[in-house]
Amino acid sequence: DAKTTQPPSMDCAEGRAANLPCNHSTISGNEYVYWYRQIHSQGPQYIIHGLKNNETNEMASLIITEDRKSSTLILPHATLRDTAVYYCIVRVAGYGGSQGNLIFGKGTKLSVKP
Amino acid sequence: NAGVTQTPKFQVLKTGQSMTLQCAQDMNHNSMYWYRQDPGMGLRLIYYSASEGTTDKGEVPNGYNVSRLNKREFSLRLESAAPSQTSVYFCASRVQQGGSSYEQYFGPGTRLTVT
Repeated sequence: DAKTTQPPSMDCAEGRAANLPCNHSTISGNEYVYWYRQIHSQGPQYIIHGLKNNETNEMASLIITEDRKSSTLILPHATLRDTAVYYCIVRVAGYGGSQGNLIFGKGTKLSVKP
Repeated sequence: NAGVTQTPKFQVLKTGQSMTLQCAQDMNHNSMYWYRQDPGMGLRLIYYSASEGTTDKGEVPNGYNVSRLNKREFSLRLESAAPSQTSVYFCASRVQQGGSSYEQYFGPGTRLTVT
């Protein structure tokens, strides 16, 4: 699986957009980019994933560069409840064996401030 | 629909004691996972079960055993607990269907302290 690099921490003002970067320069063509977050003491929560097109859902948007070597998770209007550790994970899709497994790094601790 | 449930929520063990952490999911998912998370760290995979009847080692399996009791339940056993196993343990499940990519759903965690 491709290694990802994320800043250890970021701050964001409440109501503003939070842009969380992730570098994955060794990503392979069949690997997806996943984002999860973990609010203090809780289990991780899936946010969004994508292959090469930009994706949007009710929680966030995912922007993947054309060369797929980096991506940005965008929380359009951050609230205090978005304070969490955000994990960027790259792995293949598919089923069987270890293909569903996730490898978590240390993530980015996002602090949303009033 | 409760999602992924874990019992107990908290546990304190003495070194050498044994215990089983229970996990159940009601989403009819094929795959189930056990992770541990140490302070300030990301999650590390202990064992996983890609489908009912199969189990495989993850990144940190030493000191643990697992049982996929049926499609719903996946238990993690510590035979002889050690202080190094003090951690928060998360169970997760995932549907597997065709070649698509599906997210994992996590339980609330079990906080284990070994003294």
